[in-house]
Amino acid sequence: AQSVTQPDIHITVSEGASLELRCNYSYGATPYLFWYVQSPGQGLQLLLKYFSGDTLVQGIKGFEAEFKRSQSSFNLRKPSVHWSDAAEYFCAVGTQGGKLIFGQGTELSVKP
Amino acid sequence: GAGVSQSPSNKVTEKGKDVELRCDPISGHTALYWYRQSLGQGLEFLIYFQGNSAPDKSGLPSDRFSAERTGGSVSTLTIQRTQQEDSAVYLCASSSKVARSDTQYFGPGTRLTVL
Repeated sequence: AQSVTQPDIHITVSEGASLELRCNYSYGATPYLFWYVQSPGQGLQLLLKYFSGDTLVQGIKGFEAEFKRSQSSFNLRKPSVHWSDAAEYFCAVGTQGGKLIFGQGTELSVKP
Repeated sequence: GAGVSQSPSNKVTEKGKDVELRCDPISGHTALYWYRQSLGQGLEFLIYFQGNSAPDKSGLPSDRFSAERTGGSVSTLTIQRTQQEDSAVYLCASSSKVARSDTQYFGPGTRLTVL
């Protein structure tokens, strides 16, 4: 079955600290993976995506993600979190027809 | 250029009434998707349109839900005889083509509340 799991529902980090949001996927073929961010009252904005090539992907706003096939993971990282990064983060896998299957999301809070 | 727009931004309706939600995709995008975001179910796919092909309706939760796309551009999602469980944020997205790797650009959503 195709699925995406984000084990952490809510994470709190201090401003300036590093961040890692976990994502595990289940997909039979080569996965096409995405991270989106959703600020309150907003739609989803693409942070980065992976579909081939280098397993370390750079995105916007200083985010990066690493694809690890052996672990079926696509974790999102940022070396130093800013207060403006507080939002909800969604990992997704692209399926046939372009339909996205999303994880449940991780809500990030940033302490001053 | 303009992004994906949706209207209305908020809709409050009474149980049993019909509602129409509108999506204007990015100009030139041939693929259009509808998703629903609710507390219990997270983000789930509803339907997508690609050009003049038959839409993929596999995610529609019941026959009370329908959608159309006129002229390959604007789309309307219609919910008939609304129920309280239909309360959710309905998100529309568009992409330049239907492909697993293509980026979908999302609108701000329509928050539907069924009383």
